[in-house]
Amino acid sequence: DVKVTQSSRYLVKRTGEKVFLECVQDMDHENMFWYRQDPGLGLRLIYFSYDVKMKEKGDIPEGYSVSREKKERFSLILESASTNQTSMYLCASSSQGGGVDEQYFGPGTRLTVT
Amino acid sequence: DQQVKQNSPSLSVQEGRISILNCDYTNSMFDYFLWYKKYPAEGPTFLISISSIKDKNEDGRFTVFLNKSAKHLSLHIVPSQPGDSAVYFCAASELLGAQKLVFGQGTRLTINP
Repeated sequence: DVKVTQSSRYLVKRTGEKVFLECVQDMDHENMFWYRQDPGLGLRLIYFSYDVKMKEKGDIPEGYSVSREKKERFSLILESASTNQTSMYLCASSSQGGGVDEQYFGPGTRLTVT
Repeated sequence: DQQVKQNSPSLSVQEGRISILNCDYTNSMFDYFLWYKKYPAEGPTFLISISSIKDKNEDGRFTVFLNKSAKHLSLHIVPSQPGDSAVYFCAASELLGAQKLVFGQGTRLTINP
């Protein structure tokens, strides 16, 4: 079974703090993704990575950065947290098959910025 | 610009009846479509997919229909069961490229006993 784990289920941070969200997958997947989920907006892609040290912007990268130093680990960084970054953050991974492979999601981190 | 739209935020269906969830898309480059199911406090889980070369794909109680000319897909669940109560997201991707998925807003399905 593919397992994607996220470091925290709930996180409360203050405005201006630097925030790290960690994601680890155990299936040797090449692709990893960070989304945020907001009511009425669905899941929106923040960043993704298709290889170690590679990263590409998704649809809403502003205010975020990422790091992928090892294949199994993908970190999302909020350089200076703001209240509009309060959201549910979901990490996912998929293999680099010949077509579009399903993405496997972690349980999510609900981040509140006060 | 919402490229994938689920216009019904919620749907309520009687147990045993058919649930039909709809999804529209605008990007004609999309050629692979997926449905995910999400329970509260859990990540989405993959349910069923369809490629643009097909117009129907079945997996047990779940069937996805694709109408390329209308840029519309639907998920049919029959018979609906209480455990099907969840939020359903449709997602779309281009076969070539970085395997990015574009998600709809989600539809909350409630199955009433």
